[in-house]
Amino acid sequence: AQKVTQAQTEISVVEKEDVTLDCVYETRDTTYYLFWYKQPPSGELVFLIRRNSFDEQNEISGRYSWNFQKSTSSFNFTITASQVVDSAVYFCALSEAGGVYGGSQGNLIFGKGTKLSVKP
Amino acid sequence: DTEVTQTPKHLVMGMTNKKSLKCEQHMGHRAMYWYKQKAKKPPELMFVYSYEKLSINESVPSRFSPECPNSSLLNLHLHALQPEDSALYLCASSQVGGWADTQYFGPGTRLTVL
Repeated sequence: AQKVTQAQTEISVVEKEDVTLDCVYETRDTTYYLFWYKQPPSGELVFLIRRNSFDEQNEISGRYSWNFQKSTSSFNFTITASQVVDSAVYFCALSEAGGVYGGSQGNLIFGKGTKLSVKP
Repeated sequence: DTEVTQTPKHLVMGMTNKKSLKCEQHMGHRAMYWYKQKAKKPPELMFVYSYEKLSINESVPSRFSPECPNSSLLNLHLHALQPEDSALYLCASSQVGGWADTQYFGPGTRLTVL
């Protein structure tokens, strides 16, 4: 069964520290997408990245970087030099080609989220 | 700025009230979604419209009634809700609704049922 595990429920760091948010997924599908979303206290889910299962290249976007490793079924997210504005809940999510609706309809499987608090 | 807008931002209603949540997207997407999110939980899918047709209903109680007047608009009509229905209701949109789509979310409506 498809599943996304974010084992870290809450993380607290001091500004300028680096922090890594872990995401481990389970799927029997060979074709899938992985996503990260940020949810600040205001509530909106902000899309950060989408990565398909055939592209294991790491990605960097400013202070954000993502490490995708199929061998360990992980898609970890690192924030370098964290800032107070990074404080939010971060969700990792999975969408499979052969999902519960037969792939014709998207179905995001979310992890439980990691709450990141960055203290000044 | 988000291109998915939701109104109202906050809503308080009694159990006998009828109210509606509204969502609008300006990205030319053909699929729209309603999610319910309880505190400290991930979003849970309620409904999906694809090309203005209801394609997924995740066994949601009939006191929630979705409506998609056109591909840019999505409503959620609420009637006879229970206090346990209090939650953040998120709308999202995506290109066509397929598994490879990226879903873009609105800011949500915080609903309190008294």
